[in-house]
Amino acid sequence: SQQGEEDPQALSIQEGENATMNCSYKTSINNLQWYRQNSGRGLVHLILIRSNEREKHSGRLRVTLDTSKKSSSLLITASRAADTASYFCATSGSARQLTFGSGTQLTVLP
Amino acid sequence: GAVVSQHPSWVICKSGTSVKIECRSLDFQATTMFWYRQFPKQSLMLMATSNEGSKATYEQGVEKDKFLINHASLTLSTLTVTSAHPEDSSFYICSASGGQGREQYFGPGTRLTVT
Repeated sequence: SQQGEEDPQALSIQEGENATMNCSYKTSINNLQWYRQNSGRGLVHLILIRSNEREKHSGRLRVTLDTSKKSSSLLITASRAADTASYFCATSGSARQLTFGSGTQLTVLP
Repeated sequence: GAVVSQHPSWVICKSGTSVKIECRSLDFQATTMFWYRQFPKQSLMLMATSNEGSKATYEQGVEKDKFLINHASLTLSTLTVTSAHPEDSSFYICSASGGQGREQYFGPGTRLTVT
């Protein structure tokens, strides 16, 4: 399965700043999801946005989806050191499989 | 919420031996389970999809004779890495889904090191 691209590959910010990660994909989708992965651990599901939605909020997370540009962004506001992790987008189409992006390594400095 | 466990969480084995990894859905029936592989600092790559009671569907480039998948019940799938080699060292993650259109729930992963 082809992966999407995420940028930046790595992002380092100060605590309290906002972090924005972008994801681009290649095929039509039913939904797009964002996951977090702490080093050496499993995935934590953050948020799902459907193809007919343009924006979704969950706590400090804001996700946008632009299906015309085949892209999505994840904004984490007022970041904390505990937000340090890798973040992946994953798309789901007509098949049930998830196709993961290349990931963004976020480091939040205290 | 739905919980998926994996066992073992880490394993070290010698080259040429076989290793079995279990994936269990603890509080729901998983009609479909997925197996992913993740190399260091890389993303997850889908290896295969298994439906309970039927043969797994492998992604292109994944050797079905090397990575044996069994999904014998609605709560258990196993991945056996046969004749493991150092290049099979990776982080293996399973996910489970309750059915068509249902969300996938991920296990915590198994770190395999082949020496």
